[in-house]
Amino acid sequence: DTGVSQNPRHKITKRGQNVTFRCDPISEHNRLYWYRQTLGQGPEFLTYFQNEAQLEKSRLLSDRFSAERPKGSFSTLEIQRTEQGDSAMYLCASSFGDLSSYEQYFGPGTRLTVT
Amino acid sequence: AQSVTQLDSHVSVSEGTPVLLRCNYSSSYSPSLFWYVQHPNKGLQLLLKYTSAATLVKGINGFEAEFKKSETSFHLTKPSAHMSDAAEYFCVVSVTSGTYKYIFGTGTRLKVLA
Repeated sequence: DTGVSQNPRHKITKRGQNVTFRCDPISEHNRLYWYRQTLGQGPEFLTYFQNEAQLEKSRLLSDRFSAERPKGSFSTLEIQRTEQGDSAMYLCASSFGDLSSYEQYFGPGTRLTVT
Repeated sequence: AQSVTQLDSHVSVSEGTPVLLRCNYSSSYSPSLFWYVQHPNKGLQLLLKYTSAATLVKGINGFEAEFKKSETSFHLTKPSAHMSDAAEYFCVVSVTSGTYKYIFGTGTRLKVLA
């Protein structure tokens, strides 16, 4: 399967712990996005990479959040000192090209539950 | 700034009857618009996209949408609903420069009754 993959699919953690999620985009895609989806809402943009450069971060991304994309391949999203409000589905998407018309391909998401 | 508004949070139809999911957009520029479907425990799947070509866009599984600039609408339709169409549907606008990030609507949950 050559789609976007995310690991783990589910993560349960205690408040205050650190968690890290991984996203493997479609191999030839140079753009990678992270979104967060809470219950009953549409996904909200968190951050964006073009190749290895992180070019935009949302106000939603507090200092406890950090994302990387070493060598422009896979990406990781780390949340430090998790809070109950961080409980959500974290979605990764990738796309190719420099036009807004190029669709994004989404992974299945990582569901985070903070207890 | 771009935005989308999905006018119905829930829609129920009987199997075999038409589906209409409504979306209005706001954009200062000619927008790129998308409809995605999300089945439970599955990733978001692209149904169709509008990118300033034909205003009537055909997608997968019999869905289509019409871009109406005068009404700033991009409603999703299907002539005959199937049980497998039950899912969450998202209308999306892509920002027109820089990141080309997506702005999602709040979603419409489609229920199909037997």
